[in-house]
Amino acid sequence: GENVEQHPSTLSVQEGDSAVIKCTYSDSASNYFPWYKQELGKRPQLIIDIRSNVGEKKDQRIAVTLNKTAKHFSLHITETQPEDSAVYFCAAGYSGGGADGLTFGKGTHLIIQP
Amino acid sequence: DAEITQSPRHKITETGRQVTLACHQTWNHNNMFWYRQDLGHGLRLIHYSYGVQDTNKGEVSDGYSVSRSNTEDLPLTLESAASSQTSVYFCASRAPAGELFFGEGSRLTVL
Repeated sequence: GENVEQHPSTLSVQEGDSAVIKCTYSDSASNYFPWYKQELGKRPQLIIDIRSNVGEKKDQRIAVTLNKTAKHFSLHITETQPEDSAVYFCAAGYSGGGADGLTFGKGTHLIIQP
Repeated sequence: DAEITQSPRHKITETGRQVTLACHQTWNHNNMFWYRQDLGHGLRLIHYSYGVQDTNKGEVSDGYSVSRSNTEDLPLTLESAASSQTSVYFCASRAPAGELFFGEGSRLTVL
C-alpha cells in the first residue's frame, strides 16, 4: 500500500516569512495529492490539491509543487499570518473519487511567531 | 447546503461496552470512510465503503465494523471497546473529483 512521509513535524516561522512542508510517497500509481489544514478542535479541510499531470499549482499565498520522478511534493506558504497557525496534512492517492481512502502523512504543526 | 454530520460528538464509555458512532452525509456520495486521529499518527483509515452493501477493511480495522444499508449513512461500531480505542474519529465522504469532506469528529474516551 501507499506510504506517506511528512517533514518537519513542527515548524516555527516568524510572521511574514515563508513556510515549506515536504512529503514523499511510495506508490508511483498515486496521482492525487491534496493538502489539508486542521485548526485546533476542528475538522481537516482541503486547502489545495494537485494532480500528477501538473508540476505546480498556486492559490494566492499557497502553492504546491510535485516531482513525480522523485515522488515528493511540497506545500509553500508565503507571507505567513497568525491565522496560518494549524496542523497541515499531506495525502496521496487516486483521483476520480475512488473508494480507496487517501493515505495521510502524520502532520506538521505550523506555528507563526508574532 | 449538503453536509456530513457525526454523532455523538463526545462519548465516554467503559471497557467491554459496544459503541456505535453515526455518520450521515447529504451529498449522495458513494464513497465513505472512517479515520481515527491520534497524536503522532495522523489520520489512519479504519474502514471504507464503495456503496450500499459494500464494506472494506482499512489499515487499522481490528476491533471495528461498519455497515452500509443506504447511501447516506456509514455507522462505525466498536464491538467491545478497549482503552486503545480512545481517539478522535472522523467520518468522510469523497466527491467524484477526489476531494475528501470530513465530518466534525467524534471524541471517544474508553475508561
